[in-house]
Amino acid sequence: GAVVSQHPSWVICKSGTSVKIECRSLDFQATTMFWYRQFPKQSLMLMATSNEGSKATYEQGVEKDKFLINHASLTLSTLTVTSAHPEDSSFYICSARTLTSGRSDTGELFFGEGSRLTVL
Amino acid sequence: GQNIDQPTEMTATEGAIVQINCTYQTSGFNGLFWYQQHAGEAPTFLSYNVLDGLEEKGRFSSFLSRSKGYSYLLLKELQMKDSASYLCAPMDSNYQLIWGAGTKLIIKP
Repeated sequence: GAVVSQHPSWVICKSGTSVKIECRSLDFQATTMFWYRQFPKQSLMLMATSNEGSKATYEQGVEKDKFLINHASLTLSTLTVTSAHPEDSSFYICSARTLTSGRSDTGELFFGEGSRLTVL
Repeated sequence: GQNIDQPTEMTATEGAIVQINCTYQTSGFNGLFWYQQHAGEAPTFLSYNVLDGLEEKGRFSSFLSRSKGYSYLLLKELQMKDSASYLCAPMDSNYQLIWGAGTKLIIKP
């Protein structure tokens, strides 16, 4: 299957600093990438949908000024947590959707490995 | 509204068969996905159903009934490594996946 790489896997930072997480599709072009957050023992929560070359679409309740998303190319999307606080500590996961030529979009998602953020 | 309903937790014995049910309500429908997620890891794709019926893939099978808003994931010959959460995720008319909390499957020897 298609490969999505997410970096870093683990990050610990001080409160007030900013953290950038990268999500790359290694062997396919992803016009759409999704960013999720998952708190312990809870389901994935979609934060935003990132489309290449345009502004991200944020879900209700997600602060767009705090969670900056950039999708500058068909293989890279970044999530920057600005002025991180301890309550932002969570598991952040990206996914990318493939498009199969000649067929309608099946929407199959491929997930990155996830990034565990701990804010002290 | 959009809603997913699947059991919170299930327990099964190694070598046995288990069926995880999922009922859903979505705004439009473009298929349903099942994902497996081990603790602390990202989800991995298991299956995708867009037409009614059973899709078999090795030890795992997935069934869909669109008229009933119902799907199940069937796991055969259970192995200890199958202990994980299983996420049922229908896709709505905007091609967005709707995520439930998942079913935690515990496999006992």
